[in-house]
Amino acid sequence: KAGVTQTPRYLIKTRGQQVTLSCSPISGHRSVSWYQQTPGQGLQFLFEYFSETQRNKGNFPGRFSGRQFSNSRSEMNVSTLELGDSALYLCASSRDRGAGNTIYFGEGSWLTVV
Amino acid sequence: QQPVQSPQAVILREGEDAVINCSSSKALYSVHWYRQKHGEAPVFLMILLKGGEQKGHDKISASFNEKKQQSSLYLTASQLSYSGTYFCGTEAGAQKLVFGQGTRLTINP
Repeated sequence: KAGVTQTPRYLIKTRGQQVTLSCSPISGHRSVSWYQQTPGQGLQFLFEYFSETQRNKGNFPGRFSGRQFSNSRSEMNVSTLELGDSALYLCASSRDRGAGNTIYFGEGSWLTVV
Repeated sequence: QQPVQSPQAVILREGEDAVINCSSSKALYSVHWYRQKHGEAPVFLMILLKGGEQKGHDKISASFNEKKQQSSLYLTASQLSYSGTYFCGTEAGAQKLVFGQGTRLTINP
């Protein structure tokens, strides 16, 4: 059974540009969450999607957005990139939403903003 | 609110035991434990639901004290493969998983 797949794995962008990251959840999983991981801040929750609707959102500016498609695949977008957006972006999926559901992480997309 | 993990880092020799603690200021529904090796995705270890249960597989186990809002991860007779950063994630009714800052575990031969 394939795990969570994220693309691209590595990318370099220039300040002010925008970026779109893609996530394919484990087959049968309907909930997708996104996390930002940096050395100083650890794993920070960005947002959660279920049934194409954003269900939860973390404390990130509006430049960070996402969406989920009918096949549960998800994308996140960061506009007007800043140097501080350099991080590992992790997507995680779970079978269902709600407390007690195990989430499984993808290998992440390494974003470097220069 | 982010749970607090302690210690932040620990260095052991192979075969020694370790305990990693996770505390929250909120009433918890569940605690999730993950291990992440450098450059890799966090890997799910176990989930503990409220009720004070203890879980484990192989030589890694965990407990969850619902009243104290604390969980502890126990690694016994540590192996080199146990090295990595351990994260606890907590759910407190908001239906999103919030992670601690992580505990870096180094196992030396």
